[in-house]
Amino acid sequence: QKEVEQNSGPLSVPEGAIASLNCTYSDRGSQSFFWYRQYSGKSPELIMFIYSNGDKEDGRFTAQLNKASQYVSLLIRDSQPSDSATYLCAVNNEKLTFGTGTRLTIIP
Amino acid sequence: DTAVSQTPKYLVTQMGNDKSIKCEQNLGHDTMYWYKQDSKKFLKIMFSYNNKELIINETVPNRFSPKSPDKAHLNLHINSLELGDSAVYFCASSQSAGELFFGEGSRLTVL
Repeated sequence: QKEVEQNSGPLSVPEGAIASLNCTYSDRGSQSFFWYRQYSGKSPELIMFIYSNGDKEDGRFTAQLNKASQYVSLLIRDSQPSDSATYLCAVNNEKLTFGTGTRLTIIP
Repeated sequence: DTAVSQTPKYLVTQMGNDKSIKCEQNLGHDTMYWYKQDSKKFLKIMFSYNNKELIINETVPNRFSPKSPDKAHLNLHINSLELGDSAVYFCASSQSAGELFFGEGSRLTVL
């Protein structure tokens, strides 16, 4: 079983709709959770982090964490073509472990 | 000013050669990392240094040798390159666990 699992996609979402990205993790001791965005040919950049169960909102982005279900998600509201990228879920225990990423395409 | 800079951005070399990648950060962070991203985009940690001390050394062939002369620099030397070493190598730094700032990456192609 992979430590951090994501659906690789591609996930296609119409412009203006909500994009929903999901991630599950295997280590129950994980303490903190991160979402990175990586444009094609570029380096990953941190867009959200969440430490506690529940929702955390930052602009158009909402991170959701459910530690009991070992589940993290990222919602992107009012999706824009500029949101088209690969989204990497990362889970921190003693080290930061990344999922394989979900490729998101926003269709104009 | 680039926060985390790596050189070179591209390396093309023959099997069996030795190559080095250099990384510098001007963010004042204590921790630096090397990650490898393969052709399937999987990003895997190789090494982590905190204030020049090695703290994470994943299962990486000993052909890979990191070196941190000071907390702002972390270099990676690779001996006897193999085809499977072809990948993008990212340097990163952080002050808080998990909040990484990545360099632009160094794309290594082994022929």
